[in-house]
Amino acid sequence: DSGVTQTPKHLITATGQRVTLRCSPRSGDLSVYWYQQSLDQGLQFLIQYYNGEERAKGNILERFSAQQFPDLHSELNLSSLELGDSALYFCASSSTRGYGYTFGSGTRLTVV
Amino acid sequence: ELKVEQNPLFLSMQEGKNYTIYCNYSTTSDRLYWYRQDPGKSLESLFVLLSNGAVKQEGRLMASLDTKARLSTLHITAAVHDLSATYFCAVDADAGGTSYGKLTFGQGTILTVHP
Repeated sequence: DSGVTQTPKHLITATGQRVTLRCSPRSGDLSVYWYQQSLDQGLQFLIQYYNGEERAKGNILERFSAQQFPDLHSELNLSSLELGDSALYFCASSSTRGYGYTFGSGTRLTVV
Repeated sequence: ELKVEQNPLFLSMQEGKNYTIYCNYSTTSDRLYWYRQDPGKSLESLFVLLSNGAVKQEGRLMASLDTKARLSTLHITAAVHDLSATYFCAVDADAGGTSYGKLTFGQGTILTVHP
């Protein structure tokens, strides 16, 4: 157990639907990052939050949004889902006291 | 745009042999990470390399960083079956600035170790 908790582990949904992925960072970590892993795009950075504020954005579609709550957990919202959104979505967290990023076990999203 | 390229992308090795995975990147950065991923699983941190000339070793794996050449290597010594996995390098694109965590990953190297 890495200490980064992601739920759900698996999600199957239909095109056009909306889903929410949840991430709880390691205790004490203020930063949360979201990544998408797909066969055609590889691992891509989506977005970073630090203590509730958006810090950096990567290749995140406009249909996707995220937020970090006062208790530091984060949610990634994916809407108007398309088949191509099927992927493994990872959350990672980091500490300001050291280096490195700890990844959660991921949410496998399948859009049918 | 930062590019990170690994080679080889596929590596089939016999147990007991040595090999090196290369990771080239296209911008200045002094933070590079190596991760291992088993099929369908999470990314496990292997090494954090934070400066030019950094070398770290753990068991049969050794990683190094040459920031001037923009090159990192992951050397496998006397491979065993348990090392079979996908290995990723990742460059912290904003290293040295005020924000971190925008990791740019290589394509991954799928390593298979045969008896």
